[in-house]
Amino acid sequence: QVQLQESGPGLVKPSETLSLTCTVSGGSVNSAFYYWSWVRQPPGKGLEWIGYISYSGITNYSPSVKSRVSISLDTSKNQFSLRLSSVTAADTAVYYCAKVVLQASGYEYYFDYWGQGTLVNVSS
Amino acid sequence: QSVLTQPPSVSGAPGQRVTVSCTGSSSNIGAGYDIHWYQHLPGTAPKLLIYANTNRPSGVPDRFSASRSGTSASLAITGLQAEDEAAYYCQSYDSGLSGSVFGGGTKLTVL
Repeated sequence: QVQLQESGPGLVKPSETLSLTCTVSGGSVNSAFYYWSWVRQPPGKGLEWIGYISYSGITNYSPSVKSRVSISLDTSKNQFSLRLSSVTAADTAVYYCAKVVLQASGYEYYFDYWGQGTLVNVSS
Repeated sequence: QSVLTQPPSVSGAPGQRVTVSCTGSSSNIGAGYDIHWYQHLPGTAPKLLIYANTNRPSGVPDRFSASRSGTSASLAITGLQAEDEAAYYCQSYDSGLSGSVFGGGTKLTVL
């Protein structure tokens, strides 16, 4: 069974870059056909998909953050990471990492394993 | 404002049946894209409940089922139990956004 654990600073200043890491166990981030994603939940709001990265490094990002986001793989540590630049208070949220199941269509997908989430506050 | 619309809350007594609705548009549910459902307890990892419209992952009780029609979908929970008290989210693909979209979540209270 795949397990995921988020880690990173809980406080980031406005205009700076938010960086989080997801450590994967029970599976390899570069296993063929495995995809990995970040999802966030602002306080009192619903879930928001941020983006995903494939086992081969192909990425797809939500239009709402596309100009500020980067997701990368570190196969040596079996991790993947999120970087979100120029953050504002609107980026305050619980950030989840999740394993993606890409469906036969090639563009539909769902999330079968999730981490417990980590709260990131954007504040000076 | 979430792309998929869910009622903020629903409630039911133990043993009863409740449904959670999820309303979309022609660019997501109405276009025929698959719908998935998640159960989320605060402070824990969200759990996949239903995938590809009607399929339950191993370990999910058959008390949970889902259906769809037009631009909407529903999650049904029968034989309500106290442990079902959680937030429930629907998720689908949106062709206009070229990515995944979620509902705003529905908080289920077991009375």
